[in-house]
Amino acid sequence: DAGVTQSPTHLIKTRGQQVTLRCSPISGHKSVSWYQQVLGQGPQFIFQYYEKEERGRGNFPDRFSARQFPNYSSELNVNALLLGDSALYLCASSLSGLSTDTQYFGPGTRLTVL
Amino acid sequence: LAKTTQPISMDSYEGQEVNITCSHNNIATNDYITWYQQFPSQGPRFIIQGYKTKVTNEVASLFIPADRKSSTLSLPRVSLSDTAVYYCLVAQTGTASKLTFGTGTRLQVTL
Repeated sequence: DAGVTQSPTHLIKTRGQQVTLRCSPISGHKSVSWYQQVLGQGPQFIFQYYEKEERGRGNFPDRFSARQFPNYSSELNVNALLLGDSALYLCASSLSGLSTDTQYFGPGTRLTVL
Repeated sequence: LAKTTQPISMDSYEGQEVNITCSHNNIATNDYITWYQQFPSQGPRFIIQGYKTKVTNEVASLFIPADRKSSTLSLPRVSLSDTAVYYCLVAQTGTASKLTFGTGTRLQVTL
C-alpha cells in the first residue's frame, strides 16, 4: 500500500507570494493533519481535518488555510509568505482522527521563502 | 496538555541498549504516551504507545511507572540506522489528533 504522499517535494517562493501544498492520505484514512517543522525544532500542529471538516487549528495566523476534498486529499494554502514560513511542511493521515490513532506522516514539502 | 521533558541528546555505541526517559509530571488520567522517531528530512514515524506498565513491540519497549509521571523508551541493541530524533508525546484520549512535539532527543549511534 502507498503511504502518505505530498507534493511538491521542494518549493522556492519569494516574500508576499502564495503557495499551495498537497497531500494524499493512506487509502482508507479519513483524517489529515498538517504540521510545520522549522529546522532544529519539533513539528508544530497547524490543522486537522476529518471527513472534510476542520477539527482542530493550531496557533497560526489566518494566512494559513486548508481544506479536505471528498477523496480525503488535502491542500494547505499559505498567503503573503514571510521569510519565517520557510520550513518543512508535513502531512499526516490517520483512520479516525483521534489523538491516540497512529499518525502516518508523509515525507514533507520543503518550502524556502526568499 | 501535559508538558514533556526529555534529554536534548544521547550517544551510544552500536549493539548497546538505549533508554530514553521522558518526564511528564502533569499527565492526566486520560492521557496516553506515544513515541515517534524522525530521520533527517523525513516525517516522524510511530514507534510505540502505552498507558501504563510495559508495552513491547518488534522495535522497542515502553516502560511506564505506576505514577505515570515519566516513561522510558528502550531500544535494544541499537544500530547505526537508529541514529535519529526521538519524540515523546502525551495525547488525551477521545480528542482530535493534535500532536504536540517538543524538541526531542537526538540519538547518535556510532561504531
